[in-house]
Amino acid sequence: DGGITQSPKYLFRKEGQNVTLSCEQNLNHDAMYWYRQDPGQGLRLIYYSQIVNDFQKGDIAEGYSVSREKKESFPLTVTSAQKNPTAFYLCASAKQGHPNYGYTFGSGTRLTVV
Amino acid sequence: AQSVTQLDSHVSVSEGTPVLLRCNYSSSYSPSLFWYVQHPNKGLQLLLKYTSAATLVKGINGFEAEFKKSETSFHLTKPSAHMSDAAEYFCVVRGPGDSNYQLIWGAGTKLIIKP
Repeated sequence: DGGITQSPKYLFRKEGQNVTLSCEQNLNHDAMYWYRQDPGQGLRLIYYSQIVNDFQKGDIAEGYSVSREKKESFPLTVTSAQKNPTAFYLCASAKQGHPNYGYTFGSGTRLTVV
Repeated sequence: AQSVTQLDSHVSVSEGTPVLLRCNYSSSYSPSLFWYVQHPNKGLQLLLKYTSAATLVKGINGFEAEFKKSETSFHLTKPSAHMSDAAEYFCVVRGPGDSNYQLIWGAGTKLIIKP
């Protein structure tokens, strides 16, 4: 079955560490997105990519980095510059040119700073 | 600019009674609107979408929503709540442009079902 896989499900980071969250999809979707979710707030867009080797900053890109070397993969690195990284991170994908189909989401990664 | 407001942060209903989750939007053009559901510690699932076709949209699990342009609303309803409906619901409006279709998210409404 096609879908999006995020790993790990839970991740703990020490102060000053970089960590990378994985997102892989086998839906042949062109566009991929990273969102951050905090309690009582809607999702906020971190980065998005509409084609391989290209990506754009979203609303809260500071302290994060991404790459899109393959269509299937869109990893997110949370750097030490991100001052408050504890949150639930969601990856999504969508088929370019068919925006009204909506997004397909992964099951999320919960990141906690210890 | 587009925006979306979910009018209630929490809604509590008894099992078997109707559900109403309210959403108002602001858009300078004809919008596409979505409702997503998120169960605890899970990703999000598309419930239904409005894309300028029929104004009454039917979704999964017995939910439906009506697009009312005059009221700029897209409220989500269900005739009879089930315990499994307990989750958080997000109203979403699609951003502008043909290829740049980022989504603008409401803050969410937590639906609580009382037995």
